[in-house]
Amino acid sequence: NAGVTQTPKFRVLKTGQSMTLLCAQDMNHEYMYWYRQDPGMGLRLIHYSVGEGTTAKGEVPDGYNVSRLKKQNFLLGLESAAPSQTSVYFCASRPGLRNTEAFFGQGTRLTVV
Amino acid sequence: GENVEQHPSTLSVQEGDSAVIKCTYSDSASNYFPWYKQELGKRPQLIIDIRSNVGEKKDQRIAVTLNKTAKHFSLHITETQPEDSAVYFCAADSSASKIIFGSGTRLSIRP
Repeated sequence: NAGVTQTPKFRVLKTGQSMTLLCAQDMNHEYMYWYRQDPGMGLRLIHYSVGEGTTAKGEVPDGYNVSRLKKQNFLLGLESAAPSQTSVYFCASRPGLRNTEAFFGQGTRLTVV
Repeated sequence: GENVEQHPSTLSVQEGDSAVIKCTYSDSASNYFPWYKQELGKRPQLIIDIRSNVGEKKDQRIAVTLNKTAKHFSLHITETQPEDSAVYFCAADSSASKIIFGSGTRLSIRP
């Protein structure tokens, strides 16, 4: 039982390049989330999903797209990376109920140069 | 939109003293309030949570209080120890199933 796994752990991109971050969970959770963490700004919600095939915007969705084609996977895409997207990205998941704990992946450190 | 404010952003206390972190939230439909601890280079992990049908919850040296009328909730750590040094985040579960986090408090314990 691995929990929540993010791929890759580190990545350096050039401005304008694209990439996809993968979040996989093996807990059969309905809800999945993508956050970015910047110094002094906490965890800001980018996009989230309340079930397979659904996605919704969070607090800072611009410049990102997501897909949830399979229940266990939640993909975060950057179509044209910008230096402002340099951050640590965390994925989280929780059961399909409110009032339940969210479990986090180990994070992806992304640098855009 | 939904918002969670957290204070202070940094907190330094003497080992053995108490630490208090305070949060306010804007979505009156929020009914779940978790607290996460993040050690340097690690992922956030839940340390305690509270649901809106209770006003206080305690787990050993950690306690959380909730005032739904005022939309305030607080984390209290007593008898602080060096291993309590970390960044702490409060959060609120919104009516749309989003989890919105505060900006974090960096807690340092002085020996």
